[in-house]
Amino acid sequence: DQQVKQNSPSLSVQEGRISILNCDYTNSMFDYFLWYKKYPAEGPTFLISISSIKDKNEDGRFTVFLNKSAKHLSLHIVPSQPGDSAVYFCAALKAAGNKLTFGGGTRVLVKP
Amino acid sequence: DVKVTQSSRYLVKRTGEKVFLECVQDMDHENMFWYRQDPGLGLRLIYFSYDVKMKEKGDIPEGYSVSREKKERFSLILESASTNQTSMYLCASTGLALSYEQYFGPGTRLTVT
Repeated sequence: DQQVKQNSPSLSVQEGRISILNCDYTNSMFDYFLWYKKYPAEGPTFLISISSIKDKNEDGRFTVFLNKSAKHLSLHIVPSQPGDSAVYFCAALKAAGNKLTFGGGTRVLVKP
Repeated sequence: DVKVTQSSRYLVKRTGEKVFLECVQDMDHENMFWYRQDPGLGLRLIYFSYDVKMKEKGDIPEGYSVSREKKERFSLILESASTNQTSMYLCASTGLALSYEQYFGPGTRLTVT
């Protein structure tokens, strides 16, 4: 039973436009939510995180929104660039267990 | 820069063989993790370790064991490889008390025939 789900396996967007990646979770006990980015033949790299007590966190072109009542978070990339083409994983952390639970990933393709 | 290295990028083994996957990190991190990545399932935690000689089961430990004899090295062992263990294996480490910002190695693509 997947506690963290990314229902869109892929997303295609034009360069300069907004990319919106979505993630749903079932466990209300998660304390932090994160996004990781993965290029082919490389390990994932940490992108951005948000605490469960916040509803928005911004870092340059990347913004993560958290809607706790809907158990939903999203990652916005504005403007999208060809170098953003990668697989993005949503993840969640319970501080007590101190281990990450990942979603299935969304492959993003940014077209020039 | 943190560097996490894995002993092999690609590995092909036969069913029933014992397989060792090695991971080394150079940043004196306490916490180390082994995941497997499969299409549509994301990364699933196999085992993790918070200290030398310490290990804890993750979400899918069956068929695997681990060893951490030195702080910088964390090994994943498949005692008797099976075809359903064909996967991408990723090692990660972090020095943070809360393990959300993990540093990953490049992965080992293991094929069991």
